[in-house]
Amino acid sequence: NAGVTQTPKFQVLKTGQSMTLQCAQDMNHNSMYWYRQDPGMGLRLIYYSASEGTTDKGEVPNGYNVSRLNKREFSLRLESAAPSQTSVYFCASSQGGVQEKLFFGSGTQLSVL
Amino acid sequence: SQELEQSPQSLIVQEGKNLTINCTSSKTLYGLYWYKQKYGEGLIFLMMLQKGGEEKSHEKITAKLDEKKQQSSLHITASQPSHAGIYLCGADWGGADGLTFGKGTHLIIQP
Repeated sequence: NAGVTQTPKFQVLKTGQSMTLQCAQDMNHNSMYWYRQDPGMGLRLIYYSASEGTTDKGEVPNGYNVSRLNKREFSLRLESAAPSQTSVYFCASSQGGVQEKLFFGSGTQLSVL
Repeated sequence: SQELEQSPQSLIVQEGKNLTINCTSSKTLYGLYWYKQKYGEGLIFLMMLQKGGEEKSHEKITAKLDEKKQQSSLHITASQPSHAGIYLCGADWGGADGLTFGKGTHLIIQP
């Protein structure tokens, strides 16, 4: 029972480097989400994909891009990492939008130096 | 702006004691979700409330949504060390853009 799988679990970047966070779900869910979690700020939505082929901005999209590669996979890209992007990133999925519960991955801890 | 306030921010409770965590929305909720997060891990779904006055229980955890659908409480009876973690409420305000989460309540259970 894999559920939502995120890679990598940990990453350290230098300012200006780029990287892609990978997320895959095996539950045939339509909707996928990227959140970041920061101390004192809670979880904030970066981007979401309501269905395959669509993506939309969330609360804090600046500095990020996403790709819904297929129904299973939703990646998050940092083109030029900044220290402000140091955070824990969570991918989540749901069957039919937020009216159904979200399933979360175990997170990626990213540090930008 | 839409807001979701969660209280308290942190809670230290002696094992065996009861506790309550609150979540208040600035507007009527379509749904209210409770999640638990163990330190360093992802979020695990606990309960979903959608109807005014609804109450759900799972083991020693009970969640309620008020009649106006703007406030929810999570109550733990006879707390155990396994209850320790971060509890987050998530609001569905009817949009397609995912849940809006509260900032979380850090729960510590003292033996």
